[in-house]
Amino acid sequence: EVQLVESGGGLVQPGGSLRLSCGASGFTFNRYEMNWVRQAPGKGLEWISYISQSGGAKHYAASVTGRFTISRDNGKNSLFLQMDSLRPDDTAVYYCARQRAGTGRNVWFDPWGQGTLVTVSS
Amino acid sequence: DIQLTQSPSSLSASVGDRVTITCRASQTISNSLNWYQQKPGKVPKLVIYAASSLQSGVPSRFSGSGSGTDFTLTISSLQPEDFATYYCQQSYTSPMYTFGQGTKLELK
Repeated sequence: EVQLVESGGGLVQPGGSLRLSCGASGFTFNRYEMNWVRQAPGKGLEWISYISQSGGAKHYAASVTGRFTISRDNGKNSLFLQMDSLRPDDTAVYYCARQRAGTGRNVWFDPWGQGTLVTVSS
Repeated sequence: DIQLTQSPSSLSASVGDRVTITCRASQTISNSLNWYQQKPGKVPKLVIYAASSLQSGVPSRFSGSGSGTDFTLTISSLQPEDFATYYCQQSYTSPMYTFGQGTKLELK
């Protein structure tokens, strides 16, 4: 069974740091591009970061550029999100998601992990 | 940046109804549009990819259509388990993505 399991969420003070992890199983992790998506309480989905299969290409949403860093360890089937300079508006459930590719520019996210809650508050 | 606008933002319907949700892109995105279903407290689940392809395991009452800037998700006969929030997502600007603001489908 394809599975993604996030961990590392919790309560952190503004300006603090947190490192999220996403463990993958049931598929060949190093063959897939991966993403992080977040959802603030009661709000919609926001894509925040992408990483290529090798980790050589990384992209970020403007809202997290310069503060968050995505990485992966293919030997450990794991995806990471290092979050620095955290702000209250970073409070959200953070999901990792596997990227699937079709023809042309068609890609989609499947599956998603169960999510981990990050709360930024003093 | 490509913006996605879903309409309506919320919708009340009854079991058995035919329902259509619209997603409009701020510029052409070909057919690079996906739909996800999210139930309260649950993980988003892929329903339609590449505008009109039904994800494996999703009931055939779900269908998607559109190309360019205008897209629709249709549920032909609503079932109790279909009440959820639906999000569209564009992948035309891959590997950077945008989601619509969501459409909450509620029981009338």
